[in-house]
Amino acid sequence: AQSVAQPEDQVNVAEGNPLTVKCTYSVSGNPYLFWYVQYPNRGLQFLLKYITGDNLVKGSYGFEAEFNKSQTSFHLKKPSALVSDSALYFCAVRRSSGTYKYIFGTGTRLKVLA
Amino acid sequence: DGGITQSPKYLFRKEGQNVTLSCEQNLNHDAMYWYRQDPGQGLRLIYYSQIVNDFQKGDIAEGYSVSREKKESFPLTVTSAQKNPTAFYLCASRQSGETQYFGPGTRLLVL
Repeated sequence: AQSVAQPEDQVNVAEGNPLTVKCTYSVSGNPYLFWYVQYPNRGLQFLLKYITGDNLVKGSYGFEAEFNKSQTSFHLKKPSALVSDSALYFCAVRRSSGTYKYIFGTGTRLKVLA
Repeated sequence: DGGITQSPKYLFRKEGQNVTLSCEQNLNHDAMYWYRQDPGQGLRLIYYSQIVNDFQKGDIAEGYSVSREKKESFPLTVTSAQKNPTAFYLCASRQSGETQYFGPGTRLLVL
């Protein structure tokens, strides 16, 4: 069975500091991995994805994520946090074959403090 | 929210009433999805459709129904059998690439 874990309900970081939002996954076969961001009472916005190729993926708004197959992780990072990055972040996984179902984590609330 | 519209933004349901949430996309995407979002539980899949006139149950389909008569439309009906319908409902679509694109959501509340 597929699953995604976001171990931190909330992450606090000072503006200008680097941020990391953690995600680990479990899936049989090769994974497709995604990060989305959600602002209050809005839909999810796509940030970045890993399908194949380079393990370091760069996405929107200066975010990046590193696919680590041995640790089954796909942590989201940004070198310098902005107050406007404060939002709810979701990691999602899909098996590369056999299903078009996506599994989402429970979300991590990022709070960037001025 | 990229070419996907959901209406209404807020919907109120009375006991025993069926209500229908609208999802329309102009992205020419083949696949469409419905998710339910509850605090602390992330997104859970209700139904999905890969092509017109075909759809599959997701993980929490009980008490919900869908139709896919047109490529651009995937309405979700919350039936009276759904005993705890209060949630934020999100529709998404996907083309041949792997990325899902989400609508702005509908918040359903029970009177």
